[in-house]
Amino acid sequence: QSVLTQPPSVSGAPGQRVTISCTGSGTNIGAGFHVHWYQRLPGTAPKFLIYGDINRPSGVPDRFSGSKSGTSASLAITGLQAEDEADYYCQSYDTSLSAWVFGGGTKLTVL
Amino acid sequence: QVQLQESGPGLVKPSETLSLTCTVSGGSISGSYWSWIRQPPGKGLEWIGYIYSSGSTNYNPSFKSRVTMSVDTSRNQFSLRLNSITAADTAVYYCARHYSSASAPLPFDYWGQGTLVTVSS
Repeated sequence: QSVLTQPPSVSGAPGQRVTISCTGSGTNIGAGFHVHWYQRLPGTAPKFLIYGDINRPSGVPDRFSGSKSGTSASLAITGLQAEDEADYYCQSYDTSLSAWVFGGGTKLTVL
Repeated sequence: QVQLQESGPGLVKPSETLSLTCTVSGGSISGSYWSWIRQPPGKGLEWIGYIYSSGSTNYNPSFKSRVTMSVDTSRNQFSLRLNSITAADTAVYYCARHYSSASAPLPFDYWGQGTLVTVSS
């Protein structure tokens, strides 16, 4: 069981908007630690997608956005494209575990 | 563009020591924090620990008694040793760099492709 909870899968048609949730607790997201997101395309290294809850690293399209509230965070992808089909992972820090922690990952399928 | 590449045996026997090396190219290993992360089959990602380029380390308490990390700045490499391994240590092992421009605890901006290590006799 991962410390952060994500839905196993989400799907959407090209052009649509999808969101992926990431639920934590009072010892990680709820404690104020930032949430970060990664995209892993099949057979490739994970890619840095969102950091500090809402920030995009250079080169990441503005179709990707992050938000956080309370003990949860979300990744939104607008204008869905076939190339967005990948696994997405959220990550934060847990003060009770003294460790960087991850969600179990969400597989995005573009219909 | 920074690139990371994991290397090491793909098959290790139970009770032995798993040893992996991460080679960094396209940038210097100095001045950054570097982590090892793994993903067992069908499970989530798990942070193992990090090492700073000076050699200081911080390990996940879940692994603390079994893990050792080291760095070789002359070769732009850092390494992982995990001892007393069991089948539960079968996983894809990733090395990653911490993004220094974020606020602490630092996220990971560059990752290796990962290497599968299978523990079996």
